[in-house]
Amino acid sequence: SYVLAQPPSVSVAPGQTARITCGGNNIETKSVHWYQQKPGQAPVLVVYDDSDRPSGIPERFSGSNSGNTATLTISRVEAGDEADYYCQVWDSSSDHVVFGGGTKLTVL
Amino acid sequence: EVQLVESGGGLVQPGGSLRLSCAASGFIFSGFSMNWVRQAPGKGLEWVSYISGGSGVTYYADSVKGRFAISRDNAKKSLFLQMNSLRAEDTAVYYCAKEIASGWSNDHWGQGTLVTVSS
Repeated sequence: SYVLAQPPSVSVAPGQTARITCGGNNIETKSVHWYQQKPGQAPVLVVYDDSDRPSGIPERFSGSNSGNTATLTISRVEAGDEADYYCQVWDSSSDHVVFGGGTKLTVL
Repeated sequence: EVQLVESGGGLVQPGGSLRLSCAASGFIFSGFSMNWVRQAPGKGLEWVSYISGGSGVTYYADSVKGRFAISRDNAKKSLFLQMNSLRAEDTAVYYCAKEIASGWSNDHWGQGTLVTVSS
């Protein structure tokens, strides 16, 4: 089955840029979606279809997808961005939704 | 405003059954596919099951296939998950989630309902 690999943690200082990667075999052929989850809360969709943002999501959140790696980029990081972030794809070969293991973003 | 409200969680013994419900409002329920996603305590997100808007297509994670059944009642704007032969590893918060129109990502989630499988 398809596997998505994320780093367990990423740390960044306020105002800097955070990049969270999601690795998968030839992931560029799939649409990648990203979720933010804060403690005790439901996930929130922050990027879908590689690089689109739902309404209400700040422009500071952006996504890209190339080769074997998709990336969620958060510019001008704020303390409120501290959360777990998950990537997700649809694997048509198995008819399964697949989530990455999640990355904990720490704002220093 | 889109709202998804799960119910039906609780404590159940191993081997037991539970039926989760998700009441939807604020959108044309029949027009959207839905998913169940779970999260074990302290763990990441795990997809459980998918159902198309018209109920014609369903998919299951390997870990629940043959034990869980997803269904929906579009007239009542409700989503269900029948869980049988429950195991300790099924203990998790279960979320229902609405897919976006272009598919395969979920733009609205409920607050979740906790299922605990323990003797």
